[in-house]
Amino acid sequence: GAVVSQHPSWVICKSGTSVKIECRSLDFQATTMFWYRQFPKQSLMLMATSNEGSKATYEQGVEKDKFLINHASLTLSTLTVTSAHPEDSSFYICSESLDTQYFGPGTRLTVL
Amino acid sequence: SQKIEQNSEALNIQEGKTATLTCNYTNYSPAYLQWYRQDPGRGPVFLLLIRENEKEKRKERLKVTFDTTLKQSLFHITASQPADSATYLCALPPFSGGYNKLIFGAGTRLAVHP
Repeated sequence: GAVVSQHPSWVICKSGTSVKIECRSLDFQATTMFWYRQFPKQSLMLMATSNEGSKATYEQGVEKDKFLINHASLTLSTLTVTSAHPEDSSFYICSESLDTQYFGPGTRLTVL
Repeated sequence: SQKIEQNSEALNIQEGKTATLTCNYTNYSPAYLQWYRQDPGRGPVFLLLIRENEKEKRKERLKVTFDTTLKQSLFHITASQPADSATYLCALPPFSGGYNKLIFGAGTRLAVHP
């Protein structure tokens, strides 16, 4: 299967700041990546589909101006949480779409 | 709307026994269903995919069944080991479509005791 990395693995930031999370495909070229958010003891919630070279497709209820996604190359997609607030604290996970989905290790975001 | 249900209560079993986890879905007839394993603080790991025309799929100690009439999938781990302790998620493609998109159930936590 594919190997996907995420950076950072955890981040703590102050309310009102922006945080960028990177998702890298280490061994395949990924035209499509997915971004999820997971709150404690809850399911993965799909936020958006990241498409290389084009705009991301956001799921209903996800603010595209708050969660900026950039997929500028076939190996890198980034998610920027803008003007973060404590309610944005969550576990953010990306996945690479091939024959199935291969997930990164996740990024724990804590907003103080 | 599309709904995926997994038993929210943890499943506790003794080492060596067979663990059986259930995934039910409603208002939909998916072309396939997938099972993933998730350890605490980690991303999910793909285990098995079963298609609508397959009744059963096996991989080592894992077995998945897919009953499209009951709208249910069962996930079995035989000869369970403490290392099998994790949360198991079932996932389906959404009714709304989208290549390789998945909607996940909330997962069932399995604890295998020595």
